[in-house]
Amino acid sequence: TQLLEQSPQFLSIQEGENLTVYCNSSSVFSSLQWYRQEPGEGPVLLVTVVTGGEVKKLKRLTFQFGDARKDSSLHITAAQPGDTGLYLCAGVEAGKSTFGDGTTLTVKP
Amino acid sequence: NAGVTQTPKFQVLKTGQSMTLQCAQDMNHEYMSWYRQDPGMGLRLIHYSVGAGITDQGEVPNGYNVSRSTTEDFPLRLLSAAPSQTSVYFCASSSVPGQGAGYTFGSGTRLTVV
Repeated sequence: TQLLEQSPQFLSIQEGENLTVYCNSSSVFSSLQWYRQEPGEGPVLLVTVVTGGEVKKLKRLTFQFGDARKDSSLHITAAQPGDTGLYLCAGVEAGKSTFGDGTTLTVKP
Repeated sequence: NAGVTQTPKFQVLKTGQSMTLQCAQDMNHEYMSWYRQDPGMGLRLIHYSVGAGITDQGEVPNGYNVSRSTTEDFPLRLLSAAPSQTSVYFCASSSVPGQGAGYTFGSGTRLTVV
């Protein structure tokens, strides 16, 4: 079983602060995805990273895939209350997506 | 486009009852999956399919069956419901996840087994 560990599990910050969440595994994945989930809804895809060392930016969000394709990070700059939610990483291999347990982010105004 | 449609949205079952959770997608996606999400946890893969007529087990398949007779539909059957199956169930579909395509999720079925 391929396991993905996310840290921290919970994060509560003030509006305007920066933060980084991590997704680590001992397994290699062909790609890694980040999702955001709001209460009562299904996860929504934010980004997919495919190449080792790849960096993608989505407005204030920066995603990085580790060189060995085993880990990833999500950095949010100047967090806003609208960023509040559960952030999930998912490793994809052979058509299967394995999810981490997520990081619950709360951004206080 | 409707995307991924799950029915029902809520369900209460008695222990031992059986039922089928429905999932349909209209995006012509080959890949479909069923996940369960328990409080404070991420998504655990129950069963998945890489195309019509092909299914395989995920991490937690016991107590569940699936079939994929068409590209559009991927129903999940609970054979004999147990309280441990109380959870939120998500169906998802994707074109080619290994090449970067993400999953589109339904809005979930909240199941309580009493």
